[in-house]
Amino acid sequence: DIQMTQSPSSLSASVGDRVTITCQASQDISNHLNWYQQKPGKAPKLLIYDASNLETGVPSRYSGGGSGTDFTFTIRSLQPEDIATYYCQQYDTLPLTFGGGTKVEIK
Amino acid sequence: EVQLVESGGGLVQPGGSLRLSCAASGFTFSSFWMSWVRQAPGKGLEWVASLKQDGRETYFVDSVKGRFTISRDNAKNSLYLQMNSLRAEDTAVYYCARRGSYSQYFDYWGQGTLVTVSS
Repeated sequence: DIQMTQSPSSLSASVGDRVTITCQASQDISNHLNWYQQKPGKAPKLLIYDASNLETGVPSRYSGGGSGTDFTFTIRSLQPEDIATYYCQQYDTLPLTFGGGTKVEIK
Repeated sequence: EVQLVESGGGLVQPGGSLRLSCAASGFTFSSFWMSWVRQAPGKGLEWVASLKQDGRETYFVDSVKGRFTISRDNAKNSLYLQMNSLRAEDTAVYYCARRGSYSQYFDYWGQGTLVTVSS
């Protein structure tokens, strides 16, 4: 199985800060990576697909990049509504696997 | 508006069975792969199973193979997960999710249904 390692597991930042989360795959997955946001008590929401494509309707302050084994997810200017846990997910090889999540809080 | 509504969760004893349902609306259900994803309390997301549009291809995570069955009724716009021989480690919120049109992402999710396996 492909292991997805996210870091950090949690972070605290100020409103307006640039926030970056990394996701490392245990083997080359090309650009077969998605990012989701999950707010407490809610279902996950798709933000980025195929590593760098912004899902329709998602604010442009979110972006993704990378390929192969190393990926990044960035919030350009952190807003209070961005408080959530973020997950990466690979779809290169079954079983589909998710990273452990990064909990983002406001300082 | 796309909607996915799960039902059927509850408390079940170890070794027991449960059938989850997901009612879909707002899109052409028969045109999309569908999946189940679960989340144990306080834990991360885990993909469980996926099913092709015509129901003829299924895929499962190893930990549920032989115990869970995924199926669909395109006439009723419904997805199902039959869970047998349940274990404590199957305790989770189970989400129904639609696979996107352009790539293998989950673009719509239900609100989830909680399954608790305990004596």
